Amino acid sequence: AQSVTQLDSHVSVSEGTPVLLRCNYSSSYSPSLFWYVQHPNKGLQLLLKYTSAATLVKGINGFEAEFKKSETSFHLTKPSAHMSDAAEYFCVVSDVSSNTGKLIFGQGTTLQVKP
Amino acid sequence: DGGITQSPKYLFRKEGQNVTLSCEQNLNHDAMYWYRQDPGQGLRLIYYSQIVNDFQKGDIAEGYSVSREKKESFPLTVTSAQKNPTAFYLCASSLGQYQPQHFGDGTRLSIL
Repeated sequence: AQSVTQLDSHVSVSEGTPVLLRCNYSSSYSPSLFWYVQHPNKGLQLLLKYTSAATLVKGINGFEAEFKKSETSFHLTKPSAHMSDAAEYFCVVSDVSSNTGKLIFGQGTTLQVKP
Repeated sequence: DGGITQSPKYLFRKEGQNVTLSCEQNLNHDAMYWYRQDPGQGLRLIYYSQIVNDFQKGDIAEGYSVSREKKESFPLTVTSAQKNPTAFYLCASSLGQYQPQHFGDGTRLSIL
C-alpha cells in the first residue's frame, strides 16, 4: 500500500530564512509525488510534481523538492521565506496501484512565517 | 479563465435534510473528485468519476451520493444518513488518472 508521512505538523521560520518541509513516502511502484499548498478557506494549489523525469523538481513561487529514492523522501524547500508563504502544505502520492487516479494525502504541515 | 467553481461557499443543514453541493469545471477534464477535509487532517476521497455517467465510491462514501450527467458537472448530495457532515468539502478535476488535480475553493458545511 502506498502512503505518505509528513514529519512535522507545524514549522515556524522567520521571513527571509530557508524553509524545509519534510515528507517520506512508501510505495511499491515508481511514485508520482506532488506538493500542494492551501491558504485558509481556499482550495489546494499545485506547487510542483515529480513524475520520474528529474530528481530535483522546481515549482511555483520559488519552491523546489528533491526526490531521493534511497531515503524514500520528497522534502520541500525554499531559500527565503515570504510572509505570503504562510499556509498549509500537503505532500501527496498518486495511488497507481488502484487504477483510480486517487491521491493519498499526508496530514499536512502548517508553515508559520514570522516577521 | 478556466477553473473549478464550487457553490455555495457556506451551507447549513438542518437535521434530516439532504443538501447538494455544486461543482462545475470548464477545464474539459474527464475525471472529477469529491474530498472531505476535517480540521488538522488531510483530504479523504468521497466519490470520483473518470467519465460521464460513471462514478465510483471512494474511502468514505457512506451518507453521500453523486451524479455525473455532464462532463462539466459533478454535484455531491449530503444525505440525512451522514451523521457527521460538518466539514470542508473540496471538488477537484484532472485530465485523467495520475494527472495533477485542480481544486475548487471549497464549500464549508455546518449543522444548524
